[in-house]
Amino acid sequence: QQQVKQSPQSLIVQKGGISIINCAYENTAFDYFPWYQQFPGKGPALLIAIRPDVSEKKEGRFTISFNKSAKQFSLHIMDSQPGDSATYFCAASKQTGANNLFFGTGTRLTIIP
Amino acid sequence: NAGVTQTPKFRVLKTGQSMTLLCAQDMNHEYMYWYRQDPGMGLRLIHYSVGEGTTAKGEVPDGYNVSRLKKQNFLLGLESAAPSQTSVYFCASRTTSTEAFFGQGTRLTVV
Repeated sequence: QQQVKQSPQSLIVQKGGISIINCAYENTAFDYFPWYQQFPGKGPALLIAIRPDVSEKKEGRFTISFNKSAKQFSLHIMDSQPGDSATYFCAASKQTGANNLFFGTGTRLTIIP
Repeated sequence: NAGVTQTPKFRVLKTGQSMTLLCAQDMNHEYMYWYRQDPGMGLRLIHYSVGEGTTAKGEVPDGYNVSRLKKQNFLLGLESAAPSQTSVYFCASRTTSTEAFFGQGTRLTVV
């Protein structure tokens, strides 16, 4: 049973465009929602994260939008660049206990010139 | 500062063989995790540890065992490898107040 559902599976965006990846979760106890970026042959690395006390967090070109009532959150990449081409994973966890991260199935993003 | 180091990076096993994957972290993190990554499945938690001497099962623990004898090391064992265990394995570590840091991965093929 997938705790976090992610879409789309793959995404192609033109350079300079906006990339949008969506995730949904079921467990209302989750209170930490990170996005990880993974390049081929590398491990995932934290890109940006949000806690449910805010509806949006922005870091440079990357923005997380969070909708607590809908149990959904999304990643927006503004002015997408070829260097953003990677696989993106959303995740969710509880801040207490073992803090196990539950990952979405990933989105392969390709930015074309 | 090496972060999280996984050994080996690549391995080919025959069905029925055993092996141990080593994860070492130098950040003094309490929590350590083993994930497997398969196409279209994301990262799935195999086992985790909340401290030295403790281990617990994750989402997909069958066929794997783990040990955490030292705080900095987390070992993942396959007693009798099966082709279904062909995957990329990632180790991660964190504290309650930090992000999870991942190793570079171990690509395992079971033939």
